[in-house]
Amino acid sequence: GAVVSQHPSWVICKSGTSVKIECRSLDFQATTMFWYRQFPKQSLMLMATSNEGSKATYEQGVEKDKFLINHASLTLSTLTVTSAHPEDSSFYICSARALRATEAFFGQGTRLTVV
Amino acid sequence: GENVEQHPSTLSVQEGDSAVIKCTYSDSASNYFPWYKQELGKGPQLIIDIRSNVGEKKDQRIAVTLNKTAKHFSLHITETQPEDSAVYFCAARQSSGDKLTFGTGTRLAVRP
Repeated sequence: GAVVSQHPSWVICKSGTSVKIECRSLDFQATTMFWYRQFPKQSLMLMATSNEGSKATYEQGVEKDKFLINHASLTLSTLTVTSAHPEDSSFYICSARALRATEAFFGQGTRLTVV
Repeated sequence: GENVEQHPSTLSVQEGDSAVIKCTYSDSASNYFPWYKQELGKGPQLIIDIRSNVGEKKDQRIAVTLNKTAKHFSLHITETQPEDSAVYFCAARQSSGDKLTFGTGTRLAVRP
């Protein structure tokens, strides 16, 4: 299957700071990327969908000014958690899909801890 | 919108036995159904998927069946091994749409 690389795999930051998470498709062009959030022992919750060169579409209840998504190229999307608070601590996962493809492939996830 | 239910939430089997996980979906327009395996601390890995024009698909020890009329699909793992222990998620999506709707997950434990 296709490879999606997410970086960093874990990060600890102080309250009030911002954190950027990168998601790269290594061997295909990802026209669509998705960002999910997963709490312990729960399912994946879609936060937003981004298409290359367009603004992201956020799910209801997700603050777009807090979770900034950029999808500037066909191989890279970034999620920036701004002014992080302890309640933002979670496992963030991206996935990517190529144009006209059905399958979506996931990154390895980023464990964010805000202290 | 789509709603996907998944059962059981936990499943424990003896090594070598079979494991079956079942999902139901609500939106008859959904026509793509992937299954993901998630190991602790990692992202989900696509293990098999099925489209609505097919009733069954098999890949070695893993098979998926789909009943469009009843709107349910199942994952079957035969000859289970300890390395099959993980959380498994089903999902559903309209092929014309972008969003995957996930089930709540099944924690599978394979006892050696």
